[in-house]
Amino acid sequence: NAGVTQTPKFQVLKTGQSMTLQCAQDMNHEYMSWYRQDPGMGLRLIHYSVGAGITDQGEVPNGYNVSRSTTEDFPLRLLSAAPSQTSVYFCASSYSRTGGSGYTFGSGTRLTVV
Amino acid sequence: EDQVTQSPEALRLQEGESSSLNCSYTVSGLRGLFWYRQDPGKGPEFLFTLYSAGEEKEKERLKATLTKKESFLHITAPKPEDSATYLCAVQPNSGGYQKVTFGIGTKLQVIP
Repeated sequence: NAGVTQTPKFQVLKTGQSMTLQCAQDMNHEYMSWYRQDPGMGLRLIHYSVGAGITDQGEVPNGYNVSRSTTEDFPLRLLSAAPSQTSVYFCASSYSRTGGSGYTFGSGTRLTVV
Repeated sequence: EDQVTQSPEALRLQEGESSSLNCSYTVSGLRGLFWYRQDPGKGPEFLFTLYSAGEEKEKERLKATLTKKESFLHITAPKPEDSATYLCAVQPNSGGYQKVTFGIGTKLQVIP
C-alpha cells in the first residue's frame, strides 16, 4: 500500500516555464487536495477535489490548474512559473468528507523557480 | 476568518523532560481539531482528531486535549525520535471538506 505518491521530489524551473506535479493515491479516497508550504506560513490550500470530475479552488489558486479524470490521480499544473511559486507542494487525500480520519499526505515536491 | 496560533515556535527538551505544546484557535463552530507530526523533508503525518471540549486522545508518549479555545499536545518523557514539527489544524462545522486551517507548527527538538 503506497499511500499518496508525488513526483518529482525536486524540480527547478525557469520563470515562464510550465510543468505538472503528479499525485496518485491507491486508497480509493474520494477527497484530494493540493497545498503549498512556505516558511513562516501554515499549509495553504491551492485546489481540491471531492471526486472524479469535480474540482474547486482553494485559498491560493492563481497560477495553478487541476483536473481529476480518475479517483486515483490529481495532477497540479503550473501554467507559467513565477518566483513566487517557489515552495514545497503537498498532495493530500482523505476518506472522510469531514476529515475526521485526517489527511494522508504525500512526501512533497520541492519546487524552485529561478 | 478561522485562525490557529501555535506556541512556542520552537522547543528544545532533554530526553525524559516532559512538556506541552499549545494550539490556540478561533473558529465559527468547531467540527474537528487535528494534530499532525512532520519530519524534515516529509509530508505531515496524522496523529489525532478531537471533536469537543474535554476530549482527550493518547498515542504512546503523546496526549492531546481540547478546550473551547485551545488544544494541548502533552509529551511525556520524550525521546530523540519525537523530534519533529507538530502541526495543529481546525475545521469549522460550516463549509466542506476543504475548510481546514493549519497553524505554522512547533518545532520540537529532543536532545539525548
